Amino acid sequence: AQSVTQLDSQVPVFEEAPVELRCNYSSSVSVYLFWYVQYPNQGLQLLLKYLSGSTLVKGINGFEAEFNKSQTSFHLRKPSVHISDTAEYFCAGSTGGGNKLTFGTGTQLKVEL
Amino acid sequence: EAGVAQSPRYKIIEKRQSVAFWCNPISGHATLYWYQQILGQGPKLLIQFQNNGVVDDSQLPKDRFSAERLKGVDSTLKIQPAKLEDSAVYLCASSSGTSTYNEQFFGPGTRLTVL
Repeated sequence: AQSVTQLDSQVPVFEEAPVELRCNYSSSVSVYLFWYVQYPNQGLQLLLKYLSGSTLVKGINGFEAEFNKSQTSFHLRKPSVHISDTAEYFCAGSTGGGNKLTFGTGTQLKVEL
Repeated sequence: EAGVAQSPRYKIIEKRQSVAFWCNPISGHATLYWYQQILGQGPKLLIQFQNNGVVDDSQLPKDRFSAERLKGVDSTLKIQPAKLEDSAVYLCASSSGTSTYNEQFFGPGTRLTVL
């Protein structure tokens, strides 16, 4: 069985500062990893995904993530955040070639002036 | 292209009452999902449909939850009777298929409060 762990429930950061949201996974089979963003009172929107190939994945809104097999991690990064990035971020994984997703508990990113 | 539509957006009921949620997926999407998102947790898959057939309902509490997708388009999720612990956001999502390469698109959700 697969599990996804987000170590930080909240991450406060000042505008224009860099940010990293951490995600670790456990799986004994090939894994596919995703980051979603959820703005208040909205559904989830896909930021980026790792399916295969290059371990550095670039997504929308200037976000990127790196798949690290040895550390079983898929941390999300942005070099300079904006107020509009304030939202909840979910890491998710799937296995076996299907798209059944297992989500982490989420990280609330709060960008302050 | 219209996104996934859900209604109502908010619902407040007393425990032991019944409630139903409706979802209209993106046109042409054969796969439809219902998730339960409890406050402070990530979404949990309740049921997955492929057209009008159930692919996975292993985490659906079948003693009180039911879902259907007649004609393979719209879907309804029902809770009868509701319990306090059913308070959550119910998210509907759809995708064009079931492979990893088929992105899931999410609706805005229905926030249920059970008093």
